[in-house]
Amino acid sequence: GAGVSQSPRYKVAKRGQDVALRCDPISGHVSLFWYQQALGQGPEFLTYFQNEAQLDKSGLPSDRFFAERPEGSVSTLKIQRTQQEDSAVYLCASSRRRAGDNEQFFGPGTRLTVL
Amino acid sequence: KNEVEQSPQNLTAQEGEFITINCSYSVGISALHWLQQHPGGGIVSLFMLSSGKKKHGRLIATINIQEKHSSLHITASHPRDSAVYICAAPPGGGADGLTFGKGTHLIIQP
Repeated sequence: GAGVSQSPRYKVAKRGQDVALRCDPISGHVSLFWYQQALGQGPEFLTYFQNEAQLDKSGLPSDRFFAERPEGSVSTLKIQRTQQEDSAVYLCASSRRRAGDNEQFFGPGTRLTVL
Repeated sequence: KNEVEQSPQNLTAQEGEFITINCSYSVGISALHWLQQHPGGGIVSLFMLSSGKKKHGRLIATINIQEKHSSLHITASHPRDSAVYICAAPPGGGADGLTFGKGTHLIIQP
């Protein structure tokens, strides 16, 4: 079956623009995660959804970052008034249940470059 | 918060060599994940293990829960094994997601 897909794969934004990144998880997966990966670093947790409920957003770096999953499937990560430090690869992952003891399936990521 | 440390950060080896990548973590966990990331960003889950050893082809992962340590081994390494290998663990304290190590950049030369 289809894996996790993300769009766009690449996004270039001018500083101050708003961007929206989309994640389509594996059908039926309850849990959805967003991670941010800076160049040369490991991914860092941003936020977690269980179905449509955002249970953890402790990793979002500022109030410019907002995520939603209104129907418990597709999720969107929105970044308002982008800054250069927002440049990174944004990864989405889904799993059948909670992450700790369940395999996570990752999307290809969206590489965001803020000029 | 779980601190996940990997070593080495960079590893260059010749084709055929036996490769070992180490991972240690600070907080007790239910399962540890080994992931592979190729240039371009795609991450693939290799193993999720909570005890003992798992084997998949030329890849072997071991974990010692008491010592909070895991190793990933590659036997008969091949240039196509060149990638970044990342270990990840639950953050602990009931928090969600995974805490990742910085990754080991492996290059296998022909």
